[in-house]
Amino acid sequence: EAGVTQFPSHSVIEKGQTVTLRCDPISGHDNLYWYRRVMGKEIKFLLHFVKESKQDESGMPNNRFLAERTGGTYSTLKVQPAELEDSGVYFCASSQGLGVGYNEQFFGPGTRLTVL
Amino acid sequence: AQKVTQAQTEISVVEKEDVTLDCVYETRDTTYYLFWYKQPPSGELVFLIRRNSFDEQNEISGRYSWNFQKSTSSFNFTITASQVVDSAVYFCALSEGTGRRALTFGSGTRLQVQP
Repeated sequence: EAGVTQFPSHSVIEKGQTVTLRCDPISGHDNLYWYRRVMGKEIKFLLHFVKESKQDESGMPNNRFLAERTGGTYSTLKVQPAELEDSGVYFCASSQGLGVGYNEQFFGPGTRLTVL
Repeated sequence: AQKVTQAQTEISVVEKEDVTLDCVYETRDTTYYLFWYKQPPSGELVFLIRRNSFDEQNEISGRYSWNFQKSTSSFNFTITASQVVDSAVYFCALSEGTGRRALTFGSGTRLQVQP
C-alpha cells in the first residue's frame, strides 16, 4: 500500500511568487492534516480536513495560505504571495476516519520550501 | 491549551553511551495520546511510539525505552548503547481527545552520536 506522498520534494522560489504544494493521502483516509516546521522550530499544525471539509484551520498563519481538498482525495496548499518567513518543511499526514479509538497519522516525506 | 516542552535543544554523546531525551507536556484533557517521532537527516518523520493517558506502563523496544509519568507530566525517551545511526532530531508530541485531533509537537532535540 502506498504511503502519503508529497510533491514537490523541494521548491525554491522568490519572495512574492506563488507556490502550490500537493499531498496525496493514503487511499481511503478521510482525515488529512498539514503541518510545517519553520526555521528549526517545532512542527506546527496548520489545518485538518475531514474528507473535503475543513475541520480545523486554527493553525493557518494568515490569508496568504489557502488549502483545498477537492473531492476529499488529494489536497493542495497554496502560498500567495510567499514571504521569507514561509521557508520551512511542510508535512502532510493522513489517517482513517474510524469512529472508535486512535486514528494513526501517517506522515509524508515533506516538502522543503525555500523563499529567497 | 496543550503544550509540549523539550528543553534539550541538542545533545552530543559518544557511541555506546546511554542518553535520555526529556519531554514535558501540558494538557487539561484527561484523555490524550503521547508520541515520539524521529527525523533522520533524510527528513521524513518516523513514528516510534504512541501511549494513551490511561496506560502508564513503561515500554521497552530493543535499545529504546520510554518512561511515562503522569505525576510529573513527563514522557521521557532513553536510548541505551547509542549508535551513530541514532543521530537525528527527535520530537515528542501530544494529541488531546480520543484520536483525531492534530498533534502538538515539541521543538525537538537534536541528538548527535559521535563514533
